[in-house]
Parts: sequence; C-alpha cells; structure tokens
Amino acid sequence: DVKVTQSSRYLVKRTGEKVFLECVQDMDHENMFWYRQDPGLGLRLIYFSYDVKMKEKGDIPEGYSVSREKKERFSLILESASTNQTSMYLCASSFGRRVNYGYTFGSGTRLTVV
Amino acid sequence: GQQLNQSPQSMFIQEGEDVSMNCTSSSIFNTWLWYKQDPGEGPVLLIALYKAGELTSNGRLTAQFGITRKDSFLNISASIPSDVGIYFCAGSARQLTFGSGTQLTVLP
Repeated sequence: DVKVTQSSRYLVKRTGEKVFLECVQDMDHENMFWYRQDPGLGLRLIYFSYDVKMKEKGDIPEGYSVSREKKERFSLILESASTNQTSMYLCASSFGRRVNYGYTFGSGTRLTVV
Repeated sequence: GQQLNQSPQSMFIQEGEDVSMNCTSSSIFNTWLWYKQDPGEGPVLLIALYKAGELTSNGRLTAQFGITRKDSFLNISASIPSDVGIYFCAGSARQLTFGSGTQLTVLP
C-alpha cells in the first residue's frame, strides 16, 4: 500500500515565523498535492506538483510556497506565518496524470499559529 | 475553482438506519470519488465512479454517477458506530475538487 507520511501531527508556531511542512511518499508517485482543511470549507488545493522541480498554484496559493527537489518529497512553506493560516494541512499523492484512481492522503498536520 | 455542493452538512442517525448524501456541481466531471475521513486522520478512498449512470457498491456502501455527470450520491445501509466520520465527494477534471463534507454521527 502507498504510504504518505507527514512529518508532524501537531505544530504550534508564532506569527511571522517561517514554517516548513514536510511530506514523503514511498510508492514513486509522480503527483503530489497540498490541501488545507477548514470546517465547512472542505479541502482546498494550495499547490501541486506533477514532477520534480515542477509546481503549480492551486486555488489558494497566497502566503504559501512549495519545494519539490526529490520525487518522493513535497514541502509546503509558510514564509511568514499568520493566524489565518491556522488549519489542518493534508498532503496527497497519486500515480500518473489520470485522477481516476484517486489520491492517497497523509494523516495531516494540525498547525496552530499564535 | 469549480464548486461542489455537498449535502447535508451533518447528520445524526440511529444505529441501523440507512444514510444518503449527495453532491451537485455546475460543471461536468469525468470521475466521481467518495472519501471518508476518520477523526484525526486523512481521507481514505471508498468508491470511485468512472461512467455516467454507473452504480457501484462496496459492502454496505452504494454510490452512483449521475446521468448528467454533474451529480453523485452515496448511500450507507444499516449504519454502525464505526461509520462515524466526515464523508467527502470529489469530482475529477484536471485535479480533484472536493465537496465541503458531510459529518455523520451514529447514535447507539
């Protein structure tokens, strides 16, 4: 089975800090995604990547950046954390360009910015 | 981005009852997916639908891909306590677009 591992389950950071959220998948998937989940809003796509060193903006990229230096690792960066970035962050991966098989998600990182 | 309307937002049901939830979109999708999220975990894929009109079952779960390709529903029969969680629909175009989720509570 594909495993998507997010480095932290819970994080507490101060306003203005630079925050790194790490995600690693172990099944050689080409595609990786970062979502944030907020009550009543579902899952909203922040950034995604179809290949190493490639990235594309999702629906809500403002305040975030990403890095994909290796195929298995996709990092989400909050350059200067703000309280409105307090949320659950979910990483996902998938095989190929077809989304028919769905995405495999990590367990999530709950980030609190104080 | 594209919008999916998922309803209901929450449901409280007695153990043993059947459950129905649905999603509608203003856009056509090629694939509909249903996910379940247990508390403190990421969403897990339950059912994938690939063709308009398709009806697919997975144990007590049944889902259908609407004929217009703009809607889908999920039914759960004879609910049990472990059915508790958030259920998300997702439609596939370029990337997956997710509904806002249905929070299901099963009362003993």
